[in-house]
Amino acid sequence: SQQGEEDPQALSIQEGENATMNCSYKTSINNLQWYRQNSGRGLVHLILIRSNEREKHSGRLRVTLDTSKKSSSLLITASRAADTASYFCATSQETSGSRLTFGEGTQLTVNP
Amino acid sequence: AAGVIQSPRHLIKEKRETATLKCYPIPRHDTVYWYQQGPGQDPQFLISFYEKMQSDKGSIPDRFSAQQFSDYHSELNMSSLELGDSALYFCASSSDQNTGELFFGEGSRLTVL
Repeated sequence: SQQGEEDPQALSIQEGENATMNCSYKTSINNLQWYRQNSGRGLVHLILIRSNEREKHSGRLRVTLDTSKKSSSLLITASRAADTASYFCATSQETSGSRLTFGEGTQLTVNP
Repeated sequence: AAGVIQSPRHLIKEKRETATLKCYPIPRHDTVYWYQQGPGQDPQFLISFYEKMQSDKGSIPDRFSAQQFSDYHSELNMSSLELGDSALYFCASSSDQNTGELFFGEGSRLTVL
């Protein structure tokens, strides 16, 4: 990835457990977004957090952003088997206009 | 609601052949992006268009070209195909009116044999 890393690269949990994925980036950003991708399918936007925000919630999703550490985390609570997918963070950088730069992704498997 | 439409969904080509991928953005979206995603990789930005003009360029090989037409659809042309061009190619669109999120199509899977 040109921008940063996500960890873990793969995560396997049981239904009902919480899943936490982390993302780091390298440059100053306008916003950070999280996308979900089912195998071989298109990316679906989950949530966006602006550089002046520290935390955001949407349903079972909670995103945090620490611009001093250039890192973000995505928490999925009460996971379901249908949450099984790859999750990517993507940043809109101050110097790159509207394009998004993606991290390497975390493959989440939720076992029923 | 209308989504981003990409065609073809699957394409198989031989080395050194040419391929053309098409993208129809969400109506009234003014920006189109092309991304390439290799197996197990993150999406890599190729090129984008705003109001039919190239607005940004990423890691797009010289063998590739793209344009956006008057009806806002976009085409990605790939020539002298190489085995390493095998990938999922995504088109995404966005609007100035959006918060910054991109809306992705389902992708075109190119296999070069």
